[in-house]
Amino acid sequence: NAGVTQTPKFRVLKTGQSMTLLCAQDMNHEYMYWYRQDPGMGLRLIHYSVGEGTTAKGEVPDGYNVSRLKKQNFLLGLESAAPSQTSVYFCASSLTGRTEAFFGQGTRLTVV
Amino acid sequence: GENVEQHPSTLSVQEGDSAVIKCTYSDSASNYFPWYKQELGKGPQLIIDIRSNVGEKKDQRIAVTLNKTAKHFSLHITETQPEDSAVYFCAASRGTNAGKSTFGDGTTLTVKP
Repeated sequence: NAGVTQTPKFRVLKTGQSMTLLCAQDMNHEYMYWYRQDPGMGLRLIHYSVGEGTTAKGEVPDGYNVSRLKKQNFLLGLESAAPSQTSVYFCASSLTGRTEAFFGQGTRLTVV
Repeated sequence: GENVEQHPSTLSVQEGDSAVIKCTYSDSASNYFPWYKQELGKGPQLIIDIRSNVGEKKDQRIAVTLNKTAKHFSLHITETQPEDSAVYFCAASRGTNAGKSTFGDGTTLTVKP
């Protein structure tokens, strides 16, 4: 029972490079979310999805894109990484909008 | 948009004592208030939540209280244990999309044995 799995766990990028973070859940959840967590701060919502094929912007969407082609996967893309995107990224999923959100272990991204 | 303030930012207690963390929110339409515990190197985990039609909820040593009029809610941990040491986050949302929550900045709780 894996729950929510994020890949990779760590990554270092150079400014201007691109990358994709993968989030996979095996709980058949409809809703999926991407957050970033910066030191001394709470989580801030980047993008979310309320079902396969849907995406919506959260609080801090600029510089990121997402896709939900399959129900179990939610991808977060950085087209041109910037040092301001250095952060820990968390993915979460929930069965519905009114049920508990389960979080992955996080991806620590450093942009130099 | 919603703004959530959390206090204190750090809290140190002796094992067996109680710990209280307080949050205020700004959006009167918020009606779902979860609390998360985040251990080092892990993702947040829901420990308790409360909806606006309830004033208090308890689960063993953990309780949450909500004052809708004053727009504040609190987490109470009794009989603290060293394994309660972690970062705790409060959050608020409109409930129809619980993951679309606004989070507080977190409280680092240290329980000294």
